[in-house]
Amino acid sequence: EDQVTQSPEALRLQEGESSSLNCSYTVSGLRGLFWYRQDPGKGPEFLFTLYSAGEEKEKERLKATLTKKESFLHITAPKPEDSATYLCAVQEEGSWGKLQFGAGTQVVVTP
Amino acid sequence: DARVTQTPRDKVTEMGQEVTMRCQPILGHNTVFWYRQTMMQGLELLAYFRNRAPLDDSGMPKDRFSAEMPDATLATLKIQPSEPRDSAVYFCASGFSDGRQYFGPGTRLTVT
Repeated sequence: EDQVTQSPEALRLQEGESSSLNCSYTVSGLRGLFWYRQDPGKGPEFLFTLYSAGEEKEKERLKATLTKKESFLHITAPKPEDSATYLCAVQEEGSWGKLQFGAGTQVVVTP
Repeated sequence: DARVTQTPRDKVTEMGQEVTMRCQPILGHNTVFWYRQTMMQGLELLAYFRNRAPLDDSGMPKDRFSAEMPDATLATLKIQPSEPRDSAVYFCASGFSDGRQYFGPGTRLTVT
């Protein structure tokens, strides 16, 4: 069965302390890997799409990378406003936009 | 900024009552999704539509849940009869076949 596993479940960082989140996946054919951010009481917000191994995308302090079996979301010098749950999702080939989400990593950045 | 809207934002109801949740997708998007989110199960896909046609509703309990898209500006999710285990946040999302999805603010459902 296709699976998306995120680690760690929770991460507590000091402001400025860089770290990485992991998303490992098993699908028969990957069309795209997606990262979303979810703030408490809100819907997930789209961040990035990665399509092929070796691809990287950046947005402010976030950088997402992709290999054949996993993706990393690097948070560089985080600020308290980066506190959120980060969700990873995969789209299988031929799935017409359907995503399979991981359980998420809850990130707390303290001043 | 175009946004997905959902109503109601909060709903408290008694077991056995019918619940209807509504979603207005972003104009121009060709896919619409209904998700349920709980602490235990995370984000679960219930049903989705492409160009208003249902593509997959295998995530829904068929005996009590139904999802429809009567027109391009409205998607509905109904639960009849509701049960306490249906308590969750229900999200609607719209997007494109490339996988990008834009989520609404959610409906927090509490069934007592």
